[in-house]
Order: sequence, then structure tokens, then C-alpha cells
Amino acid sequence: KQEVTQIPAALSVPEGENLVLNCSFTDSAIYNLQWFRQDPGKGLTSLLLIQSSQREQTSGRLNASLDKSSGRSTLYIAASQPGDSATYLCAVINYGGSQGNLIFGKGTKLSVKP
Amino acid sequence: DVKVTQSSRYLVKRTGEKVFLECVQDMDHENMFWYRQDPGLGLRLIYFSYDVKMKEKGDIPEGYSVSREKKERFSLILESASTNQTSMYLCASSFSGQGVGKLFFGSGTQLSVL
Repeated sequence: KQEVTQIPAALSVPEGENLVLNCSFTDSAIYNLQWFRQDPGKGLTSLLLIQSSQREQTSGRLNASLDKSSGRSTLYIAASQPGDSATYLCAVINYGGSQGNLIFGKGTKLSVKP
Repeated sequence: DVKVTQSSRYLVKRTGEKVFLECVQDMDHENMFWYRQDPGLGLRLIYFSYDVKMKEKGDIPEGYSVSREKKERFSLILESASTNQTSMYLCASSFSGQGVGKLFFGSGTQLSVL
């Protein structure tokens, strides 16, 4: 059974720092992996989607990498800002699974201090 | 921009009431989902639908039902609300075709059952 883990559960950094959020999964036979952002009391916003054949995706200050063989993905945030403070979740879909089988990690709560 | 709209931001209901949560998307997405999110438990899939009048059970369907009579609308029904159904409910939608897997979420409904 696929399990998705995000460590640490919470992270606090000073403004301007580059940081890495981690996501690990137990079954490497994934179709794709997504990173989401969630602000307190709100829904999720999809940040980046990496297909299983890809190694990374970039959007602005965000870069997500995928290493299927090791069961890991990282989300790199450059030059962090207080507005980046939110909970970041990753999720995977297994091969052979429908989109109903999107499996989420529990997230990393990021706090960027001014 | 894709918009997924949930009818209520906050809802307070009494035990035993029948509760309807409505979700509408404006991007002609085939797939629609209902999740609940609880502290420490993360997101859990209740039901999803991949076409009009089609539905599939998720991880925790007990005590819930759904309706999808039109492509753009997906309703979650709590047949007889109970206190353990107090939660944040999130609706999402996605295409089945190119870009499969990228989910778009609504802002959520915080339901309290007293």
C-alpha cells in the first residue's frame, strides 16, 4: 500500500533563505506527483505536477524534483518570502490507479519570518 | 482561470439533520471529488465521480452519499449528520485527458455538527 510521508511536519526559516521541502513515497510505480499549497482555512492550490517520466518542473521561485528509484521528491523554494508561509502537501497517483487514488502526505507547515 | 465553487464557507447543523454540500466547477472537467480534512489525519477521499451519474467510493464513504446529475455539479449528502462528521470538506475537479491528475480545489466548507 502506497504511503506518502513529509518530514518535517513544520519548518520555520528567516526571510530570504533558500529551502527544501521533502516528500517520500513507498511504491515507486507512480503515474505522477503533485505539490500543493494550502493557506489556513482554505482549499489547496496545485503548484507543480511532475509526470513519472520527468525529473523536475519549475515555476518561478519553485522547483520540484522527482527521483522515482529512491521514492523521493523535493520542493525547492528560492529566496523565501513571508507570503510563502503556508502548508505544502505532496500527492501521488499510482500506475493502474484512477485519479480517485491520489494519495496525499500530511504536509509541511512552513513559516517564513520577516 | 479554473473556478471550483463550494456553496458555503461555514455551516452549522444539528445532529440528525440531512446536509447538502454543493460544488460547481466551470471548466468542463470530467472528474470531481469530495475530500474531508481533519487535523492529524490529512485529506481523505469520500467519493469521486468520473462522469455524469457515475460515482466511486473513496476511503471513507460511510455516512455519505453523492449526486452528479450535471457535469459541472457534484453534491455531497450527509444523510443524518453526526458529530464525528464535523470537519473541513473540500471539493476538487480535474480533466481526464492531457494534464491528467492536476486537481483544482474549492475553498472548502467548514462544517460543524452540534
